[in-house]
Amino acid sequence: DAMVIQNPRYQVTQFGKPVTLSCSQTLNHNVMYWYQQKSSQAPKLLFHYYDKDFNNEADTPDNFQSRRPNTSFCFLDIRSPGLGDAAMYLCATSRDIGVGQPQHFGDGTRLSIL
Amino acid sequence: GEDVEQSLFLSVREGDSSVINCTYTDSSSTYLYWYKQEPGAGLQLLTYIFSNMDMKQDQRLTVLLNKKDKHLSLRIADTQTGDSAIYFCAATSGGGADGLTFGKGTHLIIQP
Repeated sequence: DAMVIQNPRYQVTQFGKPVTLSCSQTLNHNVMYWYQQKSSQAPKLLFHYYDKDFNNEADTPDNFQSRRPNTSFCFLDIRSPGLGDAAMYLCATSRDIGVGQPQHFGDGTRLSIL
Repeated sequence: GEDVEQSLFLSVREGDSSVINCTYTDSSSTYLYWYKQEPGAGLQLLTYIFSNMDMKQDQRLTVLLNKKDKHLSLRIADTQTGDSAIYFCAATSGGGADGLTFGKGTHLIIQP
């Protein structure tokens, strides 16, 4: 089945140690998003790619970066994770922009910081 | 910016109808969505409605939109134990790449 796949489901890293989360999609969608969801809170958009164009939300910390080497894959890099970065990270895709295309989410990666 | 509000909890008996409510502030919101999140999982798209519609029905799900009051509701008929989850209302005023503004989610609790 076509889907959005996030790996790993659970990630543990140490305070300050860089970590990369992975997302892949078989939907061939143009747009890929990363959201951060802290416990009992709504998902919050960090950034998105429309094809190769990167769009950062104004309040996304500089500590968070993203790469999209091809249509299928998108990575979230956290350069120096702090305790406050412990959260569920959700990847989503949509077919295109400008026409209200629904976003399809992966199952998320839960990040813990030791 | 957009603000989306939902009540945090709703408790219903199995077999009854559940009605989850949502309000939003941006009158230019053109697309409104309902997502379901089960424990430890991602968000599952349930249904969505465009602002030029008042109602949308899909099997047990009915979405009602009151644009004047900026109020959205999700009705689940014949609620089952498998419906127990967090339900997020989300809005966007543009295309998909604008990102979604989510409410904090409503925990639907099913009583036997």
